[in-house]
Amino acid sequence: QSALTQPASVSGSPGQSITISCSGSSSDVGAYNHVSWYQQHPDKAPKLILYDVNKRPSGVSNRFSGSKSGKTASLTISGLRAEDEADYFCGSYADSTSLNLFGSGTTVTVL
Amino acid sequence: DVQLLESGGDLVQPGGSLRLSCAASGFPFDNYRLGWVRQAPGRGLEWLSAISVTFGSGSTYYGASVTGRFTISRDNSKNTLYLHMNSLTVEDTAVYFCARYGPGGYFYLDLWGRGTLLTVSS
Repeated sequence: QSALTQPASVSGSPGQSITISCSGSSSDVGAYNHVSWYQQHPDKAPKLILYDVNKRPSGVSNRFSGSKSGKTASLTISGLRAEDEADYFCGSYADSTSLNLFGSGTTVTVL
Repeated sequence: DVQLLESGGDLVQPGGSLRLSCAASGFPFDNYRLGWVRQAPGRGLEWLSAISVTFGSGSTYYGASVTGRFTISRDNSKNTLYLHMNSLTVEDTAVYFCARYGPGGYFYLDLWGRGTLLTVSS
């Protein structure tokens, strides 16, 4: 199975909203509502920011929201802030043997 | 603090072997499924392996790129996860993260370590 497809980069000005897409297949994103999103600052560990498409772990800002349509999931960051500048990866449950797939990653730049 | 701490990364020659460790603290280790994920320099995340709550129950899983070369294991008495790696190639060069699965299944990873660097080079 191939990695999920994300745009390489997305940028926005402070206060704006941006959306990152995550395209998969009928075997992963399209098959399960187990899409997750991770934020990674340079040289840091990834941090879970959304799971099961649109659920936020405790402590994660409600500026992060998620959705899914068919084989494509999306992460929206509203009220963009300088600290949101990071890499973002999507993940999906795949099947009972391969288990998990990740996206190629999107670099978010706050202009 | 709730945390995972990887160790064991090193410079290894192609064809060599290495064992990575991941020490857990701050949560009931034997209640959680665990996994390994790697990130090659400048690249995305790649899921490698996962293990069920009780090692020995047969529930270990591997990605295609490491099946037959890597073995995941855990010692619940030591709160430690391991990744045994054999037949290493330059393509295995990456930062290796251990991570904890959220409750309910192998659906998402809710806690990650800071990673340990493996470099495979002659």
